[in-house]
Amino acid sequence: ESVLTQSPATLSLSPGERATLSCRASQSVSNDLLAWYQQKPGQAPRLLIYAASNRATGIPARFSGSGSGTDFTLTISSLEPEDFAIYYCQLRREWPPYIFGQGTRLEIK
Amino acid sequence: QVQLVQSGAEVKKPGASVKVSCKASGYTFTSYDINWVRQATGQGLEWMGWMNPNSGNTGYAQKFQGRVTMTRNTSISTAYMELSSLRSEDTAVYYCARSPAFDIWGQGTMVTVSS
Repeated sequence: ESVLTQSPATLSLSPGERATLSCRASQSVSNDLLAWYQQKPGQAPRLLIYAASNRATGIPARFSGSGSGTDFTLTISSLEPEDFAIYYCQLRREWPPYIFGQGTRLEIK
Repeated sequence: QVQLVQSGAEVKKPGASVKVSCKASGYTFTSYDINWVRQATGQGLEWMGWMNPNSGNTGYAQKFQGRVTMTRNTSISTAYMELSSLRSEDTAVYYCARSPAFDIWGQGTMVTVSS
């Protein structure tokens, strides 16, 4: 059974810095099954990236996704104050059809 | 605009059931599956199950089998999630989300289970 592991659990950075978040699957997965979400306190998650590297509608260009096989990365090129949140990766698969990683908290340093 | 609007917060006693609604607007309700995801306070996202609003077919995570029922009323573009035999560990925010992309989420419904 494929499991998603996100690292680090917490990432402390300053505005303007580059953020690199990792999501590792326990088995190789197809790129088009991997997505990233952002969640701010008191809000529902928001789709950022689908099919590993495609930005969702309205998502700024500073967000990018990459990776293949078992290792995937979400990169935020230059952090804005509103980017400090929790980020989840999600895998779509046979069954159960959706699993989420445990999340990475991106906090202001 | 495309949105999912959920029913309000609920407080239930252990052993009771709760039914949460999720009303779709701005798109064809029967064209996308509806999923339910829950989140306990300070915890991550947990997928509970899905429903095809067109056929009514459902699929539930093993953890919730026998306790969860997902239904819909296509005439009012509304999906429902009912969870029975509630216990304190079911206290969480429950979200509906449209799939396959999970691009649209409801605002969440807080369910508190307390004696």
